This record gives sequence, C-alpha cells and structure tokens, in this order.
Amino acid sequence: GAGVSQSPSNKVTEKGKDVELRCDPISGHTALYWYRQRLGQGLEFLIYFQGNSAPDKSGLPSDRFSAERTGESVSTLTIQRTQQEDSAVYLCASSLVIGVGGDGYTFGSGTRLTVV
Amino acid sequence: QKEVEQDPGPLSVPEGAIVSLNCTYSNSAFQYFMWYRQYSRKGPELLMYTYSSGNKEDGRFTAQVDKSSKYISLFIRDSQPSDSATYLCAMSGNSGGSNYKLTFGKGTLLTVNP
Repeated sequence: GAGVSQSPSNKVTEKGKDVELRCDPISGHTALYWYRQRLGQGLEFLIYFQGNSAPDKSGLPSDRFSAERTGESVSTLTIQRTQQEDSAVYLCASSLVIGVGGDGYTFGSGTRLTVV
Repeated sequence: QKEVEQDPGPLSVPEGAIVSLNCTYSNSAFQYFMWYRQYSRKGPELLMYTYSSGNKEDGRFTAQVDKSSKYISLFIRDSQPSDSATYLCAMSGNSGGSNYKLTFGKGTLLTVNP
C-alpha cells in the first residue's frame, strides 16, 4: 500500500483482556518499529525489527508485551492481561533500510487503545 | 531530568507570524535531530532532519541545532492555519549502535489563527 496501515484504529478493552494490534508496513520496507504515545507524554520506543535479524525488544515495558514479525511483512503487537496504564496510542513505523537516526521513517496513524 | 524537554504549550499565533519551537536535551551522544508534525488522530510526519550542529532550511521551515548548548529549534516563517498541529522534536545517537531508537519530546501544540 501507499502508507503504513494499522488496525484497528480504535480499541476499547476491559482490564485483564488480551489485545492484538496489527501493522502493515510499506511494501519493501525491511525495518519496522513500534512506539507508544501516552497522553501528555512523548513517543516511547518499544521494539524494532530488521529483516530476519533478532528484534531489539529493549523498549517493551513488561513481559505482558510481545511482538512478532514474519520476514518483511505484517507485524503484530500483543498485550496480555491489559492494565489501565496500557491506554495509549500505539504507533508503527517502517523504513526502507535501517533508519539511521530516524531518517526515512513513515509512521502509521496508530491504534488508540483504551483499557476500562 | 528527562532526556528531552519540550514545552507542551499550547502556542497560539496569528497567521503570518514567525513561530519558534525548541527542545533541550541532556544526552551528549545525540547526533541526529528531527522535527515531526502530527495532526490530530494521525501519525507523526517528518518535517526536518539534521545531522550534528548547524542550520537547515526547507521552504518556510528552518531547523537549528546547537550541540554545545544541547538546544534545537524549529522556526516557521509566514505561518499558515494549515500549520496548526503538534510539533515533536526527536533525536538519536550512535550509543551502542542503536541510532534507530528515537527519543521524543512531549510535543508542542501550535494553533495558527486566520
């Protein structure tokens, strides 16, 4: 597609439920990133995928968070046993090659997650 | 102290005004500096990208980086109502080979009034 596509655009879930967020990167983009944007806060790095290399998971806030990506295609971010502090906009970005210093990133519009 | 500090505003200016946005940072390893624009309910889009110190101009936008003061700025000339958005500064460095990890400011909400 022309841009990075994320689904769903909005998700309301009950505390304790699991949620799965999806990101379709731009075709041909080898690098994919997940960020979280909580209200009143800057974007926080969560995880980075580059081709078939081991992902950089250093930003995942707890073991309730996990993400997968098969090759250079779709990625899913899963949050288990959601908590209210997980409420945020989850943004996905992709770049053609490793985005040195953030060059070449294209962000999706995000998934707005609300945990009630 | 947070790694990147940015005044969240809000900032309201009349159309045609010069807008000055800025961020300070504490991590001397940062070498790549960016400004993103984010419209409501949309993802950030890259406006300006600068490596190390200096100025960069693109149309009505000028980005400045002063690494000695750990201070970056974005100037918008002849501001337009369509410039109304949240402006995010972001930066990264070569520490540990992870220069793809961006550290963002909280963003400044700008409104340009016609």
